Amino acid sequence: EAAVTQSPRNKVTVTGGNVTLSCRQTNSHNYMYWYRQDTGHGLRLIHYSYGAGNLQIGDVPDGYKATRTTQEDFFLLLELASPSQTSLYFCASRTLSNERLFFGHGTKLSVL
Amino acid sequence: GEQVEQLPSILRVQEGSSASINCSYEDSASNYFPWYKQEPGENPKLIIDIRSNMERKQIQELIVLLDKKAKRFSLHITDTQPGDSAMYFCAAIPNNNAPRFGAGTKLSVKP
Repeated sequence: EAAVTQSPRNKVTVTGGNVTLSCRQTNSHNYMYWYRQDTGHGLRLIHYSYGAGNLQIGDVPDGYKATRTTQEDFFLLLELASPSQTSLYFCASRTLSNERLFFGHGTKLSVL
Repeated sequence: GEQVEQLPSILRVQEGSSASINCSYEDSASNYFPWYKQEPGENPKLIIDIRSNMERKQIQELIVLLDKKAKRFSLHITDTQPGDSAMYFCAAIPNNNAPRFGAGTKLSVKP
């Protein structure tokens, strides 16, 4: 089974803080995605990438930046964290030819 | 509006009965429709999927139906058990675009 590793698993920060969430997959997957999960909203797409150096805007991008430094690594950046960004964040990846998604175990972020 | 609509948001059934969750999607380029089960504190786990060249798929007690013309698909769990209690998410995935998920259904199966 393909592995997607997220770090940290838990993060607490204050309003205005700077946070970086990391996602790494070593499956040679082209596509990587960042979602946030909130009660009543399911998984909402923040940013995604088709490959190293590529970035695409998702459905709820405000307040978030992303960077895909390598094929393996996809980062989500919150430069001025706000309480509304308190959420559970999931990273997922897939190959070019197969739509099946592989999820990381999630990062629980609390912004106080 | 939501690109993938999922209903109901809460579903309570008696053990041994059937449970049905319905989803509809907007993007006609969607060609892959997975269903995920999520336990508390866990990530979503794929339980069954269907591709656009099929109308029905069954794995044990799980049945998925796809109506491409109506842009609707559904999950049916027959003979539900307390272990089926969880959050369930549908998704619609186009080959050339990002996956979009429904808002989720919280299923509770009462003994």
